[in-house]
Amino acid sequence: DVKVTQSSRYLVKRTGEKVFLECVQDMDHENMFWYRQDPGLGLRLIYFSYDVKMKEKGDIPEGYSVSREKKERFSLILESASTNQTSMYLCASSRPLNSPLHFGNGTRLTVT
Amino acid sequence: KNQVEQSPQSLIILEGKNCTLQCNYTVSPFSNLRWYKQDTGRGPVSLTIMTFSENTKSNGRYTATLDADTKQSSLHITASQLSDSASYICVVTGVTGGGNKLTFGTGTQLKVEL
Repeated sequence: DVKVTQSSRYLVKRTGEKVFLECVQDMDHENMFWYRQDPGLGLRLIYFSYDVKMKEKGDIPEGYSVSREKKERFSLILESASTNQTSMYLCASSRPLNSPLHFGNGTRLTVT
Repeated sequence: KNQVEQSPQSLIILEGKNCTLQCNYTVSPFSNLRWYKQDTGRGPVSLTIMTFSENTKSNGRYTATLDADTKQSSLHITASQLSDSASYICVVTGVTGGGNKLTFGTGTQLKVEL
């Protein structure tokens, strides 16, 4: 079974802090994604990556950056956390071409 | 604008009963449609994928249908169990010049009670 592991289930950070969310997958998937999930809005794509050191903006990249130095690891960075970034963050990975997304169990981030 | 709308927003049924969840979409050009199940506190898990040429596909007690002409899909759950309590998310993949793009519905929250 594919396993996507997110390093933290819950995080509480203060406004202005730099926040790192880590994600690791163990199935050698090329594609990795970061989404945020808010009530009533569905999942929204922040950033994705199709290969090591490659990144593409999703629908809501503002206030975020990412890093993919190794194939199995995809990090989401909040340079200066703000209260409107309080959300559930989901990492996912997949093979190319219409393969299903495999999600981690999410990180619930609260910014106070 | 590509959109995916799901109904109902929430649903409560008794254990053993059947139910049907709906998904309407405006995504075009269409590539495929997936249903995901998301248990509380967990990430979504894929249940089934429907491509343009498929009308019906089953996965155990879950049966998905697709009408590509009317751009509608349904997920039918037979003989519901308590473990079916979850959010069910419809995700439609569209084809763009830059590659595939996923559009997510907001989900139907299903609760199965004794």
